[in-house]
Amino acid sequence: KAGVTQTPRYLIKTRGQQVTLSCSPISGHRSVSWYQQTPGQGLQFLFEYFSETQRNKGNFPGRFSGRQFSNSRSEMNVSTLELGDSALYLCASSLTSGDSYNEQFFGPGTRLTVL
Amino acid sequence: DQQVKQNSPSLSVQEGRISILNCDYTNSMFDYFLWYKKYPAEGPTFLISISSIKDKNEDGRFTVFLNKSAKHLSLHIVPSQPGDSAVYFCAARARDSNYQLIWGAGTKLIIKP
Repeated sequence: KAGVTQTPRYLIKTRGQQVTLSCSPISGHRSVSWYQQTPGQGLQFLFEYFSETQRNKGNFPGRFSGRQFSNSRSEMNVSTLELGDSALYLCASSLTSGDSYNEQFFGPGTRLTVL
Repeated sequence: DQQVKQNSPSLSVQEGRISILNCDYTNSMFDYFLWYKKYPAEGPTFLISISSIKDKNEDGRFTVFLNKSAKHLSLHIVPSQPGDSAVYFCAARARDSNYQLIWGAGTKLIIKP
């Protein structure tokens, strides 16, 4: 069974640009969550999508957005990039969402560098 | 306001000895706690979890202890092996935040030969 895949793995952008990251969950998984990881900050939750609907949202500005397609693949977009957006962006998939806990499986991440 | 805290950024342990990683939390609405392990250039992988109704869960060399009165949990690895060198994240599930996972900052564990 293929794991969670994220593309691209590395990305360099300049301030003011926008970027789109892609995540393909494990086959059959319907929930996709996105996290931002910066040194010393752990994983900061961005949002979760389940069956094409945003189910949960973290405390990030509106420049960060996402969507999920009918095949459960998800994209996140960051507009008007700032230097502080440089981070590792992780995607995690799970079977379901909510109070029936299902283990989250993570992709390798996309390393975004904003110059 | 960090609801989940891992106060030790790094920990160095001799191979064969016990590694103890600690995690403190503030939200009494957390109902599930998890430990994930992360190697460089890879995403975190699930290690072990514990429900808030239990105080101990064991899986092979890994044991997680939960002390609800102290709002503290710990991960014990016995015996520690070189492959255990990684960053360990503590995470907690929040009933009052739509079951969102709240993560600690991580502890880098280094196993010395």
